[in-house]
Amino acid sequence: QQQVKQSPQSLIVQKGGISIINCAYENTAFDYFPWYQQFPGKGPALLIAIRPDVSEKKEGRFTISFNKSAKQFSLHIMDSQPGDSATYFCAASTPNSGYALNFGKGTSLLVTP
Amino acid sequence: ETGVTQSPTHLIKTRGQQVTLRCSSQSGHNTVSWYQQALGQGPQFIFQYYREEENGRGNFPPRFSGLQFPNYSSELNVNALELDDSALYLCASSAGQGVGNSPLHFGNGTRLTVT
Repeated sequence: QQQVKQSPQSLIVQKGGISIINCAYENTAFDYFPWYQQFPGKGPALLIAIRPDVSEKKEGRFTISFNKSAKQFSLHIMDSQPGDSATYFCAASTPNSGYALNFGKGTSLLVTP
Repeated sequence: ETGVTQSPTHLIKTRGQQVTLRCSSQSGHNTVSWYQQALGQGPQFIFQYYREEENGRGNFPPRFSGLQFPNYSSELNVNALELDDSALYLCASSAGQGVGNSPLHFGNGTRLTVT
């Protein structure tokens, strides 16, 4: 049972555009929501993370928007670059499970020149 | 600062065999987790070790087992390999129990192929 649902499965954006990836969850015990970036042949690398007490967090070109009432959160990549082409995973965890991460299925992002 | 290292990088085994995968945690990290990532899917949590004790387990059968050593390195053992065990196995480490205050750092994984 997928506890975190991610969309779209794939995304093509032109250089300079905004990439938006969405995730939804049901478990209200989740209190930590990270986004990971994975390049082929590499392990996932943490991009940015948020807790439900804030509605938005920005780090450079990456922004997480969080809607607690809708149980949704999204990643926005501003001024997308070809080097951003990778697979992105949202995840969620609870302290009850030792913060084991529940990942979405991933979004393959391609940024065209 | 040395990151999470895993060995081997690739491995081919036959159905029914046993396999051991190894992981060295990032310096200063005392918690290690293992994840299975099937092709085209997100990683799935297998289990987590904190100070040499298993303190969390995902929906994986008992033939998946692990160890954490005093130096916080870890092993993942899989017995009676099945074709569906073919995947990328990721090790991740963090400081403290869980990622509440310390994010997970992943290694590059071991690609296991079961034939």
